[in-house]
Amino acid sequence: NAGVMQNPRHLVRRRGQEARLRCSPMKGHSHVYWYRQLPEEGLKFMVYLQKENIIDESGMPKERFSAEFPKEGPSILRIQQVVRGDSAAYFCASSPLIGPAEAFFGQGTRLTVV
Amino acid sequence: EDKVVQSPLSLVVHEGDTVTLNCSYEVTNFRSLLWYKQEKKAPTFLFMLTSSGIEKKSGRLSSILDKKELFSILNITATQTGDSAVYLCAGTGANSKLTFGKGITLSVRP
Repeated sequence: NAGVMQNPRHLVRRRGQEARLRCSPMKGHSHVYWYRQLPEEGLKFMVYLQKENIIDESGMPKERFSAEFPKEGPSILRIQQVVRGDSAAYFCASSPLIGPAEAFFGQGTRLTVV
Repeated sequence: EDKVVQSPLSLVVHEGDTVTLNCSYEVTNFRSLLWYKQEKKAPTFLFMLTSSGIEKKSGRLSSILDKKELFSILNITATQTGDSAVYLCAGTGANSKLTFGKGITLSVRP
C-alpha cells in the first residue's frame, strides 16, 4: 500500500507562470487536504476535498489558487500567475474518513518562483 | 479562529535526557489532537489523542491529552540523536482539518 504520492518533488517556475501540483492519496482514502509550509512557519491549512467536492477552502487565497479532486486521478492544486511569495513547500495529506482519523502526509512539493 | 501554540520553540538536549514538549490548543468543535515528527520532509504521524488522561505510548515516546485544560504533552525518554527533528502538534475540529502549531525544534547532541 503506497503512501501519499506527490509530484513533482521540486518545481521551479518563473513569475507569471502556472504551477500544477499533484497528489494521489493512499489507497482507500477519499479525503484530501492541502497545506502550505513557509520557511520557519508551521503548516497552514489551505483546502479540504473529497472526491469531486470541495468541502472547505477557507485557507486558500481567493485569487490565483484552485484545487480539485476528480472522480478519477489525483488531486490537483493549481496556482496561476505565480509570484515570489508563493515559494513554499506544499504538502498533501489524506485520511480514510471524516472525524478523528490519522492524516498521512506526502513528501511535499517544493515550489520555487524565480 | 482556531489556534495551536507549542512550547518551547526550540530545545537542545544531550543524548539520554528526557524531554517534554508542550502543546496548547483552542479549536472549535475539537475532535482530536495529533503529534507529528518532521525531518526535512513529510510529517510522520506519531500519535492521535481523543480522550483525556489516557496515555499513548510507542517505545520511548508517550503522549497525553488534557481536554479540560486544553493541552497535550509529548514525552521522549532516553533521547537519541535520531530524535532530532521538528515536532508538530495539530488539533482537528468539525471537518477534520488540522490546525498546526509552529513546531518545536529538538536537537539532541551526542
